[in-house]
Amino acid sequence: NAGVTQTPKFQVLKTGQSMTLQCAQDMNHNSMYWYRQDPGMGLRLIYYSASEGTTDKGEVPNGYNVSRLNKREFSLRLESAAPSQTSVYFCASSEDLSLAGREQFFGPGTRLTVL
Amino acid sequence: AQSVTQLDSQVPVFEEAPVELRCNYSSSVSVYLFWYVQYPNQGLQLLLKYLSGSTLVKGINGFEAEFNKSQTSFHLRKPSVHISDTAEYFCAVSEFAGTASKLTFGTGTRLQVTL
Repeated sequence: NAGVTQTPKFQVLKTGQSMTLQCAQDMNHNSMYWYRQDPGMGLRLIYYSASEGTTDKGEVPNGYNVSRLNKREFSLRLESAAPSQTSVYFCASSEDLSLAGREQFFGPGTRLTVL
Repeated sequence: AQSVTQLDSQVPVFEEAPVELRCNYSSSVSVYLFWYVQYPNQGLQLLLKYLSGSTLVKGINGFEAEFNKSQTSFHLRKPSVHISDTAEYFCAVSEFAGTASKLTFGTGTRLQVTL
């Protein structure tokens, strides 16, 4: 099992460009998440999907959109990238958001730089 | 709303010395507590978690943590560290609120182990 996979690993964008970060999990998990990690700020939740067909905003959703394509895949889109979106992005999944205390499993991350 | 405070952004320690990484949380309801580790250029992986029962929780790689409800703390300890423990450590909390339980992360503590 690959666990949680993310593509691409690295990306450089110019201000105003758009891109989609892809995430897939093979653990049959219901819930998936997108975080961004910035120095000194820990991980902040951007969007999450409790189950296939549902998405909700997290702590820092502005400038992002998401799609839960199916149970396995959860993508994050930047429509018009800004330098403030330079960050490392992590996708995670868990068995089910309604089950408290369940571990989240993380992908390896995408390092995004916006010039 | 829940929050997590990691008081130390960096902890330098010599190999084979003991270490404690501090974590305090605030929440108005019962919580579940986690410690995750992030090795350089990797995603996060679970070290240990507290859900209920014994307040002393043992995790992987010789780490343990103690839940102290009165002090709202969940400090991570290891009696003797190794060079390979050099990493960033994140404390996280989830509270069961309605049908959703999400993780809130602290800002992280960078453990630097030297010879």
